[in-house]
Amino acid sequence: AQTVTQSQPEMSVQEAETVTLSCTYDTSESDYYLFWYKQPPSRQMILVIRQEAYKQQNATENRFSVNFQKAAKSFSLKISDSQLGDAAMYFCAYSEAGTASKLTFGTGTRLQVTL
Amino acid sequence: GAVVSQHPSRVICKSGTSVKIECRSLDFQATTMFWYRQFPKQSLMLMATSNEGSKATYEQGVEKDKFLINHASLTLSTLTVTSAHPEDSSFYICSARPEARNEQYFGPGTRLTVT
Repeated sequence: AQTVTQSQPEMSVQEAETVTLSCTYDTSESDYYLFWYKQPPSRQMILVIRQEAYKQQNATENRFSVNFQKAAKSFSLKISDSQLGDAAMYFCAYSEAGTASKLTFGTGTRLQVTL
Repeated sequence: GAVVSQHPSRVICKSGTSVKIECRSLDFQATTMFWYRQFPKQSLMLMATSNEGSKATYEQGVEKDKFLINHASLTLSTLTVTSAHPEDSSFYICSARPEARNEQYFGPGTRLTVT
């Protein structure tokens, strides 16, 4: 079974600084997808960024980028120029390729953004 | 785009009664929807995968007769908690997968309190 591990229960970053959230996963599949979801206090899950395993290029979405290391099974999220609105729980998730595949979530990292 | 609604957002019911939660994809069609449960300060736990026009697939340990899922159209899935008990009190979240895409979009969640 696939597992997703987030080893940082909490992280803190100052406004305008950069922070990296870690995620590792375990799978025997070669084709899969990885995601970072954000859950603010409203508890609405928001898709931040996705990465297809067959793509070597790291995904980026504005201030959010990932460092995808397939051989190491690592998928970290970098948030640049952190803003107060980035404060939330961040969940790393894995999905096998295929239209009916379910998400396996990590335990989450709570990010605090300080002034 | 990719908006998912959930209704109601909060519900309080008495022990022994049933409650229905609706999940709708507002601007896309979803052959597959998912139902999750989230306990405070924990990750999302997948309960079942809902497929339009067929029976839902339940995760191990989830009671099929207690958590009834119906996915009658490409935009609507419902979760009915039957004979609710206080231990069913939780935050329930649905998600929907757009056709031919491997990402999920989440509803805002429903807080169920059973008294």
